[in-house]
Amino acid sequence: DAKTTQPNSMESNEEEPVHLPCNHSTISGTDYIHWYRQLPSQGPEYVIHGLTSNVNNRMASLAIAEDRKSSTLILHRATLRDAAVYYCILGGNNAGNMLTFGGGTRLMVKP
Amino acid sequence: DSGVTQTPKHLITATGQRVTLRCSPRSGDLSVYWYQQSLDQGLQFLIQYYNGEERAKGNILERFSAQQFPDLHSELNLSSLELGDSALYFCASSVYGVNSYEQYFGPGTRLTVT
Repeated sequence: DAKTTQPNSMESNEEEPVHLPCNHSTISGTDYIHWYRQLPSQGPEYVIHGLTSNVNNRMASLAIAEDRKSSTLILHRATLRDAAVYYCILGGNNAGNMLTFGGGTRLMVKP
Repeated sequence: DSGVTQTPKHLITATGQRVTLRCSPRSGDLSVYWYQQSLDQGLQFLIQYYNGEERAKGNILERFSAQQFPDLHSELNLSSLELGDSALYFCASSVYGVNSYEQYFGPGTRLTVT
């Protein structure tokens, strides 16, 4: 399985943009890039996913490098509620479609 | 609120015992996934069911089993419990197909084995 590499932790100031990086140099052509986050004492929450093009939704933006070997999750204005562990996960459209979670990035947001 | 419900919220039991965790998926979702989150192993996929049939298996112990019923709710059975089985158990649901990686997680069941 293709693996992802994320920084263990990052810090941000409230109301500033946050760029969370993810490296996935062994990504295959059919792997989608998914981002989930886990707020304290809650289950993981879907954030966004993409294949090749950049994606935007109400929660975040996903910027995917042209060679697809890295991606960046962008939170446009961090709030205290965005403090969570963010997971970058690769997965193709195969049977099961289970999520393989790595260690993720713990994002701390300072007021 | 993800729309996925799990019961019970907390469970405390002794080693050697058997417990059943229950999950109700979001309305319309046919796929149910079970994950285990422990401090040393992180979040790990256990098993997936789709419309009553087992679809995929992860690192699920032989002492653990699951099923999905005709009304699409699912149960995870854990038997001969050991101290190391203490963890958070999450259920997730999704539609099937291209968007099935968009999974919706329940609040989890915290299992403590003493």
